[in-house]
Amino acid sequence: DAGVIQSPRHEVTEMGQEVTLRCKPISGHDYLFWYRQTMMRGLELLIYFNNNVPIDDSGMPEDRFSAKMPNASFSTLKIQPSEPRDSAVYFCASNERGLVRETQYFGPGTRLLVL
Amino acid sequence: KQEVTQIPAALSVPEGENLVLNCSFTDSAIYNLQWFRQDPGKGLTSLLLIQSSQREQTSGRLNASLDKSSGRSTLYIAASQPGDSATYLCAPRSGAGSYQLTFGKGTKLSVIP
Repeated sequence: DAGVIQSPRHEVTEMGQEVTLRCKPISGHDYLFWYRQTMMRGLELLIYFNNNVPIDDSGMPEDRFSAKMPNASFSTLKIQPSEPRDSAVYFCASNERGLVRETQYFGPGTRLLVL
Repeated sequence: KQEVTQIPAALSVPEGENLVLNCSFTDSAIYNLQWFRQDPGKGLTSLLLIQSSQREQTSGRLNASLDKSSGRSTLYIAASQPGDSATYLCAPRSGAGSYQLTFGKGTKLSVIP
């Protein structure tokens, strides 16, 4: 398996622009997580899905952020409009419930810089 | 709200040394705890997972312990190697009904050849 795939790997945009981050989870995994990592705050959970349904979005910072999972193999995290304080590395992770290890498998991340 | 602290924030050791990384968490009602490794510019890789009922978990040169009642976990690395250089993060999971992991800010380890 190719692991969790994220695109783009790097994104540079200007304040006010819309940003869309994409994630393909590992095939067969029924949980998908979006995280944000910054030096100041560390790694924070933004939202997670189970079977394409959002379960907990309490970590989404504000209404400018939205996430969707239209099918089991694709999810997006959208920021509209983007602000400089959104600059961070955004990780997607997936997990299959019932696995003995129940660990989360992380993608390589998308480095976002908002100017 | 769960808060996770990792000490030290950075550690530099010569190759071959044994070392201990510390993790403390404020809410002891956890389901399990994981230790992850993060290499520069990369995602996280799970190293060890300890269930709340366990005291220790071992994988090769790595040994993780858990004292749930005191809110502490340690990661022991034996005979460190330059390839162990990375940031190590601990993450307790809040409960059986939730998959939420709360991460510490990590310990950045450098093993000097």
